[in-house]
Amino acid sequence: EADIYQTPRYLVIGTGKKITLECSQTMGHDKMYWYQQDPGMELHLIHYSYGVNSTEKGDLSSESTVSRIRTEHFPLTLESARPSHTSQYLCASSEEENLYNEQFFGPGTRLTVL
Amino acid sequence: KNQVEQSPQSLIILEGKNCTLQCNYTVSPFSNLRWYKQDTGRGPVSLTIMTFSENTKSNGRYTATLDADTKQSSLHITASQLSDSASYICVVSDRGSTLGRLYFGRGTQLTVWP
Repeated sequence: EADIYQTPRYLVIGTGKKITLECSQTMGHDKMYWYQQDPGMELHLIHYSYGVNSTEKGDLSSESTVSRIRTEHFPLTLESARPSHTSQYLCASSEEENLYNEQFFGPGTRLTVL
Repeated sequence: KNQVEQSPQSLIILEGKNCTLQCNYTVSPFSNLRWYKQDTGRGPVSLTIMTFSENTKSNGRYTATLDADTKQSSLHITASQLSDSASYICVVSDRGSTLGRLYFGRGTQLTVWP
């Protein structure tokens, strides 16, 4: 199993709260990703990073923001959580030189906003 | 439009039986196709990956096939076990490098009953 970690694994929070989902990897990968996945639906890319100080928005519009101050760390922040943000959030990483565009996924954070 | 379609949406089989999951894609250009297994509440884990020139790839009781001409892939599970209960996701990459995009299917939810 890949060395990529996410905390918390589960989070139940009230509307309007600020939350940060943590993602760390120990593989030294340059590229990191955040996906959002609703039950029974495909993964949607919401943010990615090519390396330190690099962040880009993905295909699915998201009110969340990300930062990449250290190679191993790629946290995602919601300034004011809403029920529409309820979903599973998956973090992934990949090597810069990667013939197959292989991505390794973390275990995910299941977020519920009441 | 680049898409990945999987069937069936869900499947229930008895322990010890075989099953085949289908994936059709319209992604172009095509670089590689992989099958992921995603346990409930966990991140996806790669099972097999195939490039354009590969027709079949095995990983234990899992065998994937690829027909690049018809843009179809299948995942065959032999002698199913209770631990095979999971969502199986087909993912297609349009380029072999990390510049490529990943296209995700919605997955087939497999349930294995004792």
